[in-house]
Amino acid sequence: ETGVTQSPTHLIKTRGQQVTLRCSSQSGHNTVSWYQQALGQGPQFIFQYYREEENGRGNFPPRFSGLQFPNYSSELNVNALELDDSALYLCASSQGQRTYEQYFGPGTRLTVT
Amino acid sequence: GQQVMQIPQYQHVQEGEDFTTYCNSSTTLSNIQWYKQRPGGHPVFLIQLVKSGEVKKQKRLTFQFGEAKKNSSLHITATQTTDVGTYFCAEIPSGGSQGNLIFGKGTKLSVKP
Repeated sequence: ETGVTQSPTHLIKTRGQQVTLRCSSQSGHNTVSWYQQALGQGPQFIFQYYREEENGRGNFPPRFSGLQFPNYSSELNVNALELDDSALYLCASSQGQRTYEQYFGPGTRLTVT
Repeated sequence: GQQVMQIPQYQHVQEGEDFTTYCNSSTTLSNIQWYKQRPGGHPVFLIQLVKSGEVKKQKRLTFQFGEAKKNSSLHITATQTTDVGTYFCAEIPSGGSQGNLIFGKGTKLSVKP
């Protein structure tokens, strides 16, 4: 087990709604990265949080936002959901800003109808 | 932007046959990581290569980093049904924002018993 947990496991939302996904990092890790993985594709980097601050962002619109808490757990918020947001959302934890070995959680499968 | 290309997209082998997936970049890579994702699972870190011409082995898996650091390969000797999954290469972009991984589209391996 990697120790990274995510909730919920599955989620169904309708277009225009808002969603919050949660991630608990592995013990001792202070960095959380979020990825979106569409079906049949590789994960795409959304953003990373290090010590409660955003530390790099991929090519995603501002309606994708996040938070990191003092215990290093993290949230991913997506506003105004679109059909194309349907994907597996993965969080990965690591130690430090520089990515070496990332430990991925099981993911949240989001379906937007 | 930076992108790693993986080939082939799919590979079907008979159990006991060898398997190789290739990862290519038009630019010099600072490093390359390999991940395995089982069906319905999440990416699991396999290895990171940093040095030009580096070769690393993990039991039946052999990882290589090209001399020019523009390509990498993962070779599995005598595949087993437990090797089924999608293999991704990922790079950490040099410069720019820290901490994100750029994944290839992966090679999906199926093994016929």
